[in-house]
Amino acid sequence: QQQVKQSPQSLIVQKGGISIINCAYENTAFDYFPWYQQFPGKGPALLIAIRPDVSEKKEGRFTISFNKSAKQFSLHIMDSQPGDSATYFCAATTQGGSEKLVFGKGTKLTVNP
Amino acid sequence: NAGVTQTPKFQVLKTGQSMTLQCAQDMNHEYMSWYRQDPGMGLRLIHYSVGAGITDQGEVPNGYNVSRSTTEDFPLRLLSAAPSQTSVYFCASSYLGLGTQYFGPGTRLTVL
Repeated sequence: QQQVKQSPQSLIVQKGGISIINCAYENTAFDYFPWYQQFPGKGPALLIAIRPDVSEKKEGRFTISFNKSAKQFSLHIMDSQPGDSATYFCAATTQGGSEKLVFGKGTKLTVNP
Repeated sequence: NAGVTQTPKFQVLKTGQSMTLQCAQDMNHEYMSWYRQDPGMGLRLIHYSVGAGITDQGEVPNGYNVSRSTTEDFPLRLLSAAPSQTSVYFCASSYLGLGTQYFGPGTRLTVL
């Protein structure tokens, strides 16, 4: 049973374009939704996170949009750069912090120059 | 600060062998966890600990043991390695109740 469904599996975007990755969940007890970025051969690193009491959070070129009623959240990368090429994971937890994170299956983003 | 460190980086085992993957953190984090990452599967939680002497099972605990005798260290033991345990293993740590979980660089394990 996959608790967090992530799409698409892979994404190719031109430099300067907008990258959009979507996640959906079923468990309404989830109360913390982070996104992780992973470069090849490295461990994942926290990119940005949101709690369900806000509908949007922006940090630089990265924005999380959160739709509580639809049980969906998405990552938008504005002005995508080749250096953004990585695998992105959405995650969720009921623990309020980072404990017992449930991850989506990941999206491999390629930004062409 | 070294952050989260993992050893070894690479390991090849034969079926039935046992080994311990080491994980250490120097941030005084209460929470530590082990994940495995397989292609197309994301990261799946194996075991976690909320403090020294306290461990619990995650989503995929079978075939793995953990213990936490100190705040800093959280080793993962494979009791009798199987080819299905071929994976990349990540250790992570964080303060309890706070957002950022820090991951180590990973151990790539191959079981023949």
